[in-house]
Amino acid sequence: KQEVTQIPAALSVPEGENLVLNCSFTDSAIYNLQWFRQDPGKGLTSLLLIQSSQREQTSGRLNASLDKSSGRSTLYIAASQPGDSATYLCAVGENNRLAFGKGNQVVVIP
Amino acid sequence: DGGITQSPKYLFRKEGQNVTLSCEQNLNHDAMYWYRQDPGQGLRLIYYSQIVNDFQKGDIAEGYSVSREKKESFPLTVTSAQKNPTAFYLCASNPRGSGTGNEQFFGPGTRLTVL
Repeated sequence: KQEVTQIPAALSVPEGENLVLNCSFTDSAIYNLQWFRQDPGKGLTSLLLIQSSQREQTSGRLNASLDKSSGRSTLYIAASQPGDSATYLCAVGENNRLAFGKGNQVVVIP
Repeated sequence: DGGITQSPKYLFRKEGQNVTLSCEQNLNHDAMYWYRQDPGQGLRLIYYSQIVNDFQKGDIAEGYSVSREKKESFPLTVTSAQKNPTAFYLCASNPRGSGTGNEQFFGPGTRLTVL
C-alpha cells in the first residue's frame, strides 16, 4: 500500500525566506504527483501537477520537482510572504485515486 | 462559474440519525470522490465513482453509502452505523475515470458534527 510522508509536520519561516517542503512516497509506480494548499476550514486548492514523465513544474513563485526513482518530491516557494501561511498537502496519483500525506503546516512570520 | 459545490457548509446531527451530504459539479467531469479529513490526518478516501451508475469503496467505506445517478451529482450518506462521523468531508472530481494523469479538483467541504 502506498504511503506518503511529509516532514516536518509544522514549520515557521521569516518573511522573504525560501520555503522548501518535502514529500516522500514508497511505491514509485505512480501516474502523477499533485501539490495542494489548504487554508483553515477550507477545501483544497491545486497548486501544481507533475506527470510521472516530468521532472518539475513551475508556476510563479512555486516550483515542484519529482524524482520517481527515489520516491521524492520537493515544493519550493520563493520569497515567502505571510499570505503563504497554510497547510500544504502532497498527493500521489495511482490508478483512479490519490494517496495523501498528512501535510506541512507553514507559518510565515512578518 | 465552473466548479464543485458542497452543501451544507456546516451540519449537525444527533446520534442514530442518517444524514446526506451534497456534492455537485458543473465541470463535466466523469470521476467523483469523497474524502474524510480528521485533525492531524491526511485525507482518507471513502468512495469514488468513475462513471454514472458505478462506484467503488475506498479505504474507509464502512458506515457510508453513495449513489451516482447523474454525472454532476455524487451525494454521500453518513449512516448511523458510522461509529465516529464527526469530521470534515471533502468532495472532489477529475475529468476522466481512467487512471491517467488527471488533475483532481476539490469542493469547499462540509463540516459534520454529531451531537
